[in-house]
Amino acid sequence: DAGVIQSPRHEVTEMGQEVTLRCKPISGHDYLFWYRQTMMRGLELLIYFNNNVPIDDSGMPEDRFSAKMPNASFSTLKIQPSEPRDSAVYFCASSPPGRLKNTEAFFGQGTRLTVV
Amino acid sequence: GENVEQHPSTLSVQEGDSAVIKCTYSDSASNYFPWYKQELGKRPQLIIDIRSNVGEKKDQRIAVTLNKTAKHFSLHITETQPEDSAVYFCAASLTGTASKLTFGTGTRLQVTL
Repeated sequence: DAGVIQSPRHEVTEMGQEVTLRCKPISGHDYLFWYRQTMMRGLELLIYFNNNVPIDDSGMPEDRFSAKMPNASFSTLKIQPSEPRDSAVYFCASSPPGRLKNTEAFFGQGTRLTVV
Repeated sequence: GENVEQHPSTLSVQEGDSAVIKCTYSDSASNYFPWYKQELGKRPQLIIDIRSNVGEKKDQRIAVTLNKTAKHFSLHITETQPEDSAVYFCAASLTGTASKLTFGTGTRLQVTL
């Protein structure tokens, strides 16, 4: 398995533009997480899904952020409109089912977003 | 919600010395405490974890201790090597799983020759 795959790896966009980040979780994992990493705030959980259903989106900073998981192998995080303070590394992670197995979040390589 | 504090933010040790990173958490109901290592430009990866029913866990050169009463847990790395240089994150979970992990702000460990 290639692990969690994110695209793009880097994104530079102008303020006000829409940004879409993509994630393919590890096959068979039924938990999917979106994290944001900044120097100031570290790793923050934005939202997570279980079996494609959003379970907790309390970490989503504003209505400008939205996430979807249309199927078990694909998720998107969208920012519209983007602002410079959204600049960060966005990580997607997945975790296998089952309480005893669901103890490790496998992270993707991340998308470095720069909003200018 | 849960709040996790981590100290120090940076740590420099000489090769062969030990390194200790400490974290405190706020919610006494948290029951799962993993540690992730993130090398420069790479993804975070789990290196060790501990559950609330255990006081200490060891895996070769790394160990984690948990004090539930004081609500703090620590990562200990012995005989440090240059490849241990990375950012280390502690985390706490209320669910006993990787769901709803609250991370600390990270410790940048530098192992010098």
